[in-house]
Formats: sequence, structure tokens, C-alpha cells
Amino acid sequence: DTEVTQTPKHLVMGMTNKKSLKCEQHMGHRAMYWYKQKAKKPPELMFVYSYEKLSINESVPSRFSPECPNSSLLNLHLHALQPEDSALYLCASSQVGGTEEAFFGQGTRLTVV
Amino acid sequence: TQLLEQSPQFLSIQEGENLTVYCNSSSVFSSLQWYRQEPGEGPVLLVTVVTGGEVKKLKRLTFQFGDARKDSSLHITAAQPGDTGLYLCAGTGANNLFFGTGTRLTVIP
Repeated sequence: DTEVTQTPKHLVMGMTNKKSLKCEQHMGHRAMYWYKQKAKKPPELMFVYSYEKLSINESVPSRFSPECPNSSLLNLHLHALQPEDSALYLCASSQVGGTEEAFFGQGTRLTVV
Repeated sequence: TQLLEQSPQFLSIQEGENLTVYCNSSSVFSSLQWYRQEPGEGPVLLVTVVTGGEVKKLKRLTFQFGDARKDSSLHITAAQPGDTGLYLCAGTGANNLFFGTGTRLTVIP
């Protein structure tokens, strides 16, 4: 199983809503990532978890709150987002160390209205 | 932040033509990956290069890692419409994956 599964595939939320994005992998990878991708741009790293601990936070606003409840799951909690946060949110996983090849989910297309 | 610059940014060619995409950085990477991404989908890993000077082939795609492990190239022979997509190089280091600026390729039938 080389899949990274993200849910939901599409999400529309208001600026006062609270929602969560979910990511799951069963490859035994101990590094998991959240990326944000705007149209026609490369993915931008947001967070990295290594062995279920937050190892990198790329100065992401606190309205984005990551959570890694176990080695297979990664969540991104969203609260009080702005329209400019609309983007494709990508989850990825990899082994820790080595060549760190990353496998990506299909993404969640988020629209903030 | 380790910057990876790709060139060209956009490329539109006729089916059957050859092309090369470049990925350059001032930083040394322990390895470098190439991904292809289609609209609305996540990036899909094409190849990983690890050793300086390494060359890997994947059908019509040839990947090269620079001797100093700071740059890489992707050469496509006889491009086909199915090669259309966003090509991303990504360097690894310190449990991180830094993406290049991307090359958007369109192959016209």
C-alpha cells in the first residue's frame, strides 16, 4: 500500500467556521508533512512531523493547527481562515532520514468564503 | 530556506520534440527528487538521485544529478501529450523536502 489518503477532497468553509483536514498512510512512514499550494505555484511547506512530534513549523499562522495523533494519521485543524487561505492542501509522508522520498495524497481543495 | 530554481518556468513544445528542464541551487542536497503533478492532484514521484554525477533513465526521461549535488536536469526525448504537467524538483535535507519553482510543460499534439 503506497497510498496517502486525504479527506475531504473538497471543502468550502466560512471565515467563522472550524473544520479539519485529515491524512492517513499505512506505509510505516514516521515523517508526515503538510504543504499549501496556490494555483500555478509549487507546494510550500507548512509543517513537518517526525516520530509524531512537530519538528518544523514554517512560520504558519496560528489559525492553522496541526495534530499527529499517531504514526498513521495527520490532521490540520482550521479556524477563522481568510479567503487568501484558499488553496490545495497536500499531505505527504516519508521515511525519516535516508533519501526521504515523499508520497503525496491527492490533496484537499479548500475554498474560504 | 534552501532555494531551488527551475528553468524554464514554462515550456510549450510540439509532440516529438526533445526538451531539458534544469534545477539549480547554491545548496548541497543529500538527494534530489523529481515529481510530476497534474491539475488538482498531488505530485507523483518520478525518480530519486543520490550520488553526484548519477544518471537515471525512466523510459524517455533521463535524470542527472550534478557532480556537486547542487543541481539536476531532466531530459525528455520525443515528448508526448501525456508528458504535459508541472515538473517539480525537490531537495532533501534535515528531514525536510524543499520544492523547486516548477516547470509547466505543455506538449501539443
